[in-house]
Amino acid sequence: SQTIHQWPATLVQPVGSPLSLECTVEGTSNPNLYWYRQAAGRGLQLLFYSVGIGQISSEVPQNLSASRPQDRQFILSSKKLLLSDSGFYLCAWSYSGADTQYFGPGTRLTVL
Amino acid sequence: GNSVTQMEGPVTLSEEAFLTINCTYTATGYPSLFWYVQYPGEGLQLLLKATKADDKGSNKGFEATYRKETTSFHLEKGSVQVSDSAVYFCALSNSGAGSYQLTFGKGTKLSVIP
Repeated sequence: SQTIHQWPATLVQPVGSPLSLECTVEGTSNPNLYWYRQAAGRGLQLLFYSVGIGQISSEVPQNLSASRPQDRQFILSSKKLLLSDSGFYLCAWSYSGADTQYFGPGTRLTVL
Repeated sequence: GNSVTQMEGPVTLSEEAFLTINCTYTATGYPSLFWYVQYPGEGLQLLLKATKADDKGSNKGFEATYRKETTSFHLEKGSVQVSDSAVYFCALSNSGAGSYQLTFGKGTKLSVIP
């Protein structure tokens, strides 16, 4: 069966510090991968998605970036965090060419 | 563009009450429709889906029917339990650049009291 992991589960970072969140998927190959942000009262916002290694599409211009160094690894990064980056970050995967997405447990990021 | 509108919450029900959470959508083409559930502090779990008009998705006593004529996908459950307390998200999928992207509603928080 397939599982998706995210870490860390929670993170508190000062403004201006760097960020690295990691997501890995087990039990499948060549998945599509997604990063979402969930801010309080604002639903889910798609940030990035990837259909393969090194292929990243950005949905929202911002100070965040994503990378996919391995087939089942997806990383969300920032060089300098802003207060507005606080939120709940969710990684998701889907089979290639399929529309159903499966979500990880999320990372709660607080920027102070 | 694509959009999903859900009834605003929070919704508070007594145990064993009937639940309806309204969801309407705007989309081009023929999207698939989903309901996801999020329990406190957790990620989203797929609750049910429907892929074409008049399809009914069902799971754990929840049901939703894909109504193309009214562009709706309302979530229903005949008898809610305290354990159903969560945030429910309606979503649709649209394809682009080899990947399906989900458009979500803002979520409806349900609280079920004993």
